[in-house]
Amino acid sequence: SYELTQPPSVSVSPGQTARITCSADALPKQYAYWYQQKPGQAPVLVIYKDSERPSRIPERFSGSSSGTTVTLTISGVQAEDEADYYCQSADSSGTYVIFGGGTKLTVL
Amino acid sequence: QVQLQESGPGLVKPSDTLSLTCAVSGYSISSNHWWGWIRQPPGKGLEWIGYIYYSVTTYYNPSLKSRVTMSVDTSKNQFSLKLSSVTAVDTAVYYCAPFDPVEGFDPWGQGTLVTVSS
Repeated sequence: SYELTQPPSVSVSPGQTARITCSADALPKQYAYWYQQKPGQAPVLVIYKDSERPSRIPERFSGSSSGTTVTLTISGVQAEDEADYYCQSADSSGTYVIFGGGTKLTVL
Repeated sequence: QVQLQESGPGLVKPSDTLSLTCAVSGYSISSNHWWGWIRQPPGKGLEWIGYIYYSVTTYYNPSLKSRVTMSVDTSKNQFSLKLSSVTAVDTAVYYCAPFDPVEGFDPWGQGTLVTVSS
């Protein structure tokens, strides 16, 4: 079955750069999206179309793509960025939505 | 600005049908969007359930396809989810959200917890 693979956890100190990866075979053909979810809250879109950022999202959030891996980068991490992050894409046909297993970002 | 609000029973008995509605405000549900449902079991990750387009075309998660039905009520500007033959593993927070192939799922409803228990 088709899967998106994320590391379970990433830890960084405030002010450092956090990088969260998401990989799968079909990624080069389909857009990837990233969502931030804080405890008890609904997910919020932070990156769409691999690397585009909604206007309401801080500039420290960025996305990139290389081969079968997409990466969410948070530059100058702040305590408020501590959350679960999920990547999302679609299978090679573009029909079925897939979510990665999620990565817990801990700000030390 | 689009806003979504899920509603439905918070407790469903095993083998019954789970029914939820997502009310949409600030945007016409007849517009060019897919309208989707996503769920999240307690302490676990997100799982796509399916989406519906123009009240006619639906795509469901293959693992749930035999039990899922989605529909749109344009007169009430809302869309609905039915999940039949539920068991405890269907206990989750259920979210609704519009989906655009370029812009993803945005925004999301606040979610509603559905517990399957006798």
